[in-house]
Amino acid sequence: GAVVSQHPSRVICKSGTSVKIECRSLDFQATTMFWYRQFPKKSLMLMATSNEGSKATYEQGVEKDKFLINHASLTLSTLTVTSAHPEDSSFYICSARRVIREGELYTGELFFGEGSRLTVL
Amino acid sequence: AQSVAQPEDQVNVAEGNPLTVKCTYSVSGNPYLFWYVQYPNRGLQFLLKYITGDNLVKGSYGFEAEFNKSQTSFHLKKPSALVSDSALYFCAVSRRALGSSNTGKLIFGQGTTLQVKP
Repeated sequence: GAVVSQHPSRVICKSGTSVKIECRSLDFQATTMFWYRQFPKKSLMLMATSNEGSKATYEQGVEKDKFLINHASLTLSTLTVTSAHPEDSSFYICSARRVIREGELYTGELFFGEGSRLTVL
Repeated sequence: AQSVAQPEDQVNVAEGNPLTVKCTYSVSGNPYLFWYVQYPNRGLQFLLKYITGDNLVKGSYGFEAEFNKSQTSFHLKKPSALVSDSALYFCAVSRRALGSSNTGKLIFGQGTTLQVKP
């Protein structure tokens, strides 16, 4: 199946620093990627939709100046947590959408990265 | 607005017994329904999806799910549970096809921990 790579898998940083997480689709092009945040034993909260070549669409309540998203190419989206604080500590997961054309029908499937655990001290 | 509910935080079942993980949804129009599994500190793995057609959908690792429109449910089932099935399971819904020009973003349920005991 398709592979989505997320890096780093773990990162520990000091409060006030910025952290960048990368999400790459390794064997397909993804015009759309999604960023999720997951709290311990909790569901995934959709943070934003990353669109190649345009601005990301943020979900209600997500600070776009805090969580900067850049989708500079068809295979890479980055999430930067700016001026990180302990409450930003979480498991961040990305997913990439692969669109498949079957005749006249377009279908799609999401592939998820392995997640990045951020710990802010 | 679309939403997904997984009413059980945890499901416990003995190995070899059948298992059911419940999911109900709320969405306007035709739903696109998915099940994913997550192992500790890992990303999500796709199990199966319902787009159209047969209400009984078969997926990976022997799992299946039944779409019930009248009850707005999409319960995950497996005839005989394995200890290795122990994980966190997520039901998700999309209002549009993932391949459409709309982003077709997924909304997830809160997750159900499946514990299969030997």
